[in-house]
Amino acid sequence: DTEVTQTPKHLVMGMTNKKSLKCEQHMGHRAMYWYKQKAKKPPELMFVYSYEKLSINESVPSRFSPECPNSSLLNLHLHALQPEDSALYLCASSQDVPAGGTDTQYFGPGTRLTVL
Amino acid sequence: SQQGEEDPQALSIQEGENATMNCSYKTSINNLQWYRQNSGRGLVHLILIRSNEREKHSGRLRVTLDTSKKSSSLLITASRAADTASYFCLPGSSNTGKLIFGQGTTLQVKP
Repeated sequence: DTEVTQTPKHLVMGMTNKKSLKCEQHMGHRAMYWYKQKAKKPPELMFVYSYEKLSINESVPSRFSPECPNSSLLNLHLHALQPEDSALYLCASSQDVPAGGTDTQYFGPGTRLTVL
Repeated sequence: SQQGEEDPQALSIQEGENATMNCSYKTSINNLQWYRQNSGRGLVHLILIRSNEREKHSGRLRVTLDTSKKSSSLLITASRAADTASYFCLPGSSNTGKLIFGQGTTLQVKP
């Protein structure tokens, strides 16, 4: 099973709402990632978790709060977002965060977020 | 970490033709990966080539790597409409797991 699942597929929220995005993998991977992708732009890395610990935060605003409750699950909690945060949010996982090079990352289909 | 620069930015071909896209990077790498993204959805890993390899095949895909020129190419043979997508090359030289995406090559295969 090389699948990464993400829920929901679509999310519409107001600027005062609190919502969460969920990502799950059952490949035994120990590294998980959040990316943000605006329309017609490449994905941008937001966070990296390695062995359930946050290892990289790409200076993401605090209105995005990641959480890794266990090695299979990755959440992204959203609060007080702005309309410019509307984007496709992609989750990925890899076997590990390797030394000396990057590892193959397996991506989920993404959650398309619209902030009104 | 570094990003690859894909060329051309856009490519349009007829079904059945071959498509070649190129990638350049700036500093030495351990490996290089190619990913595909259809219609702004999830990315699919296509192939990983290590720095000590010169060529690798996977089905209709052929990837070459020239570390002396700091460049790679992806050849898709006998293209199909389903190959219409954006293609990204990701040079790997970091131990942090960071992948930095360039603008990619947008391939359109016309039926």
